[in-house]
Amino acid sequence: KQEVTQIPAALSVPEGENLVLNCSFTDSAIYNLQWFRQDPGKGLTSLLLIQSSQREQTSGRLNASLDKSSGRSTLYIAASQPGDSATYLCAVRSLSLASGGSYIPTFGRGTSLIVHP
Amino acid sequence: KAGVTQTPRYLIKTRGQQVTLSCSPISGHRSVSWYQQTPGQGLQFLFEYFSETQRNKGNFPGRFSGRQFSNSRSEMNVSTLELGDSALYLCASSLLASGELFFGEGSRLTVL
Repeated sequence: KQEVTQIPAALSVPEGENLVLNCSFTDSAIYNLQWFRQDPGKGLTSLLLIQSSQREQTSGRLNASLDKSSGRSTLYIAASQPGDSATYLCAVRSLSLASGGSYIPTFGRGTSLIVHP
Repeated sequence: KAGVTQTPRYLIKTRGQQVTLSCSPISGHRSVSWYQQTPGQGLQFLFEYFSETQRNKGNFPGRFSGRQFSNSRSEMNVSTLELGDSALYLCASSLLASGELFFGEGSRLTVL
């Protein structure tokens, strides 16, 4: 059974800092990994999707890497801003025998980020 | 391009009742999946539909069910509601099954 862990659970930094959020997973046979942000009481906003054959993806100030062999992904946020304050979740889509051998997503509990001015 | 639309946004039910939630995917997306988010369990996968067929199902009791229509819109139903069913129910759509997920704002269910 896939397990996804995100460290740290919470992070508070001053504006302008570069950040690294971590996501680890137990089963390396994944289909893809996706990073999201969630604002309080809202749905999830997709940030980056990394397919299993890829090593990294970039979008603006965000860069996500994937290392399947070690079961790790990192989300790098450059020059953080107060608007980046949110909870960041990673989701790993992997094979689930309990679901009839289909690929289902497993989510981490998230990293709650506060960027203060 | 309109995003994923979920209705209703908020609802209050009492134990034993049933509830139906609706999800309209992004135009052209044929895959719809449902999730339950609670403070205690986090975000958990319920089920996924593609072209009106349930492809995957998470580890939830049979009280949780869903369906997808020919226009890709989806509904989920929870029967015999329990207090523990209080949660934010999220729907996501994707172009292909197992593709990039795009979420709606969710339906917040409170069971009294």
